[in-house]
Amino acid sequence: SYVLAQPPSVSVAPGKTASIACGGDNIGDKSVHWYQQKPGQAPVLVMSFDGDRPSGIPERFSGSNFGTTATLTISRVEAGDEADYYCQVWDSSSDHVVFGGGTKLTVL
Amino acid sequence: EVQLVESGGGLVQPGGSLRLSCAASGFILRTYVMSWVRQAPGKGLEWVAAISGGGGNTPYADSVKGRFTISRDDSKNTLYLQMDSLRAVDTAVYYCAKNFQAPLDVWGQGTTVTVSS
Repeated sequence: SYVLAQPPSVSVAPGKTASIACGGDNIGDKSVHWYQQKPGQAPVLVMSFDGDRPSGIPERFSGSNFGTTATLTISRVEAGDEADYYCQVWDSSSDHVVFGGGTKLTVL
Repeated sequence: EVQLVESGGGLVQPGGSLRLSCAASGFILRTYVMSWVRQAPGKGLEWVAAISGGGGNTPYADSVKGRFTISRDDSKNTLYLQMDSLRAVDTAVYYCAKNFQAPLDVWGQGTTVTVSS
C-alpha cells in the first residue's frame, strides 16, 4: 500500500518561513492535498491539488510537488498557524485515500 | 451553508455494534462521493471508507473491511457507517467528509466512539 512520510515536528520563529515535507514514491505523479488541524477541531483543507489555495486560506500558504516530495510552505508564520498538518493523496492502485502521519508545527 | 453533522457515537463493549450518522445540509449528498475518516486518541488521521454517488462503489480500509458498512439514504440526505465486531483499536473520533478522490473540502465536527468493557 502507498505510504506518505512526514516529519513528526517542525519549529519556526514568528515571521519566518516553515516548510513541511511529505515524501512518497513518485508522489509528483499524484495530486497532494494538505489539511490543518488545531486541537479539538476537525481538519481544514488548506491546500489542494499540490498548490491551489481554497477560498479563505491566506496567500502565505503555498504548495509544491515534484519527484518524491511534496511541500507545504507557510510564509511569515503567525502564532495562529500552530497546528498539526497532514498531507493526503488518493492512491489509484488501491482506490484508497492515504494520509501522512502528520507534522506538528510549533511557533516558537 | 454547507455543513455535515455527525451523531451516534458512544461507549460500546468489544464485539458490539454502533451506527454513525452524518446529516448533510447545503448540498445534495447523492451528487458527491462521501468518506469517513477516523482519528484515534493522540494519533493521526486514518481514512475508513467511501461511497460513490450511486452507492455502487464502496472501498474500505483493510483495517475495517468486513466489519464496517458504509451506506447512504438520499431521501434523508444522510450518510451512515454501520460498525460491527468493534475492537478497542476502533476507539476514535469519526469524521464524515465530502469527497474521496477529490480533496476532502468539508468535514463534520466528529463523533466519538469508545470501545471498552
